[in-house]
Amino acid sequence: NAGVMQNPRHLVRRRGQEARLRCSPMKGHSHVYWYRQLPEEGLKFMVYLQKENIIDESGMPKERFSAEFPKEGPSILRIQQVVRGDSAAYFCASSPDRLAPFFGPGTRLTVL
Amino acid sequence: AQRVTQPEKLLSVFKGAPVELKCNYSYSGSPELFWYVQYSRQRLQLLLRHISRESIKGFTADLNKGETSFHLKKPFAQEEDSAMYYCALSGIQGAQKLVFGQGTRLTINP
Repeated sequence: NAGVMQNPRHLVRRRGQEARLRCSPMKGHSHVYWYRQLPEEGLKFMVYLQKENIIDESGMPKERFSAEFPKEGPSILRIQQVVRGDSAAYFCASSPDRLAPFFGPGTRLTVL
Repeated sequence: AQRVTQPEKLLSVFKGAPVELKCNYSYSGSPELFWYVQYSRQRLQLLLRHISRESIKGFTADLNKGETSFHLKKPFAQEEDSAMYYCALSGIQGAQKLVFGQGTRLTINP
């Protein structure tokens, strides 16, 4: 089991572009979570998904951010029209059920 | 509101000395508490959780509901313990929604 995979590991975008972050959960895990870590801060919960369903998106900014976890394929965190304040490390985590999740290596997004 | 506070951003101790990383929380119900560790260039990984009451790599943590604390302790620090440590809490939502502290960077000096 390769663990939670995230790609790309580093992503550079200019203001106004779109960023797509991918997360492949561990085999057998149907629960996916996204967290964001701004510089000098702890991880902040963004969204919790199960296959094809958003369970809790209370941590997602109201605009420009969306997440999906389709029946087939990885979970995607999409940020439209990125701004400098979106620069952060985005971590994906997965779990087989209501257990402490396993984290991926993160994607570091830099907005120029 | 749920909140986790790690008062020390940086902590430096000598090898062989005791280590205590502080964690205080704010939650009105019965929380579940975790410690996660991130070694250099590695991903965040679960170190221990209070309900399992186990010792991992010599670390222990006791949930003190009276003081709303979950401090991480190790009697004799080792150089390989140098890492970033995060305390986290989950409430009624279960482990799906973790609230993290800001983290403490622990450095063990030889």
